[in-house]
Amino acid sequence: QQQVKQSPQSLIVQKGGISIINCAYENTAFDYFPWYQQFPGKGPALLIAIRPDVSEKKEGRFTISFNKSAKQFSLHIMDSQPGDSATYFCAASVNAGKSTFGDGTTLTVKP
Amino acid sequence: GAGVSQTPSNKVTEKGKYVELRCDPISGHTALYWYRQSLGQGPEFLIYFQGTGAADDSGLPNDRFFAVRPEGSVSTLKIQRTERGDSAVYLCASSQTRVTEAFFGQGTRLTVV
Repeated sequence: QQQVKQSPQSLIVQKGGISIINCAYENTAFDYFPWYQQFPGKGPALLIAIRPDVSEKKEGRFTISFNKSAKQFSLHIMDSQPGDSATYFCAASVNAGKSTFGDGTTLTVKP
Repeated sequence: GAGVSQTPSNKVTEKGKYVELRCDPISGHTALYWYRQSLGQGPEFLIYFQGTGAADDSGLPNDRFFAVRPEGSVSTLKIQRTERGDSAVYLCASSQTRVTEAFFGQGTRLTVV
C-alpha cells in the first residue's frame, strides 16, 4: 500500500515558468509534510515543509499548498531556473518522525 | 564534521557476503534514521534510533538486516548473506531531536553482484 502518491513522474518546463508537483496521502495521522530536493549522487535536502494547520506556506520561489479535506498537497516553483533541475520528493510523517516518501518527480528546466 | 557522513560511498560485494555501512551523524543529533532508496523510487524507512536504542525497526525487511548505535553517535547498518535485491542506495539521516528537521548524508551505493 503506497501511502504517499506523487505526480507527475517527470516534468519539463521552460526557464521562468512555474513547476507544479502534486502529492496525495492516505494516512490521516500524518501531520508534517516536507518536500525534498535531490541531486544525482547526493542525499535529499529539505526544501520546505508544512503542517496541516495552514493551507499555504511560501519560502522564496517555493510554495506549498495544502488541502486537508482532499488529503493533497503540492509544490509550486515560481520562476523556475535550470539550477532547479533535480528530483523532488514529497513526504509525510507523524510529528516529523520517520517519513513516508513519494516516488519522486524528475524536473528539467530548459534554458 | 558539518554534515552527515556515510562511508563507504560505494560498495560492491558478492552475493552471500556480509557488509557493514557506516553513518556519522551531525554532532549532538540524538535521532538517527536509515532509509533505503532503490532506483527511481523514494527513500524507504528502515530503522530509527533515539540515542543508543532502536526506537522503531519496523522497516527492516528481514532478519538479515541489523543496525547498531552503541554510543549514541555513529551507527552501523549490517547486512548478512547479501542478495542481489539488496542493491540500492542506503541513506542515513540525523536530527537534533525526533521532531526537528532531518539532514541526510550522501548515501552508500551498495551493489550486490
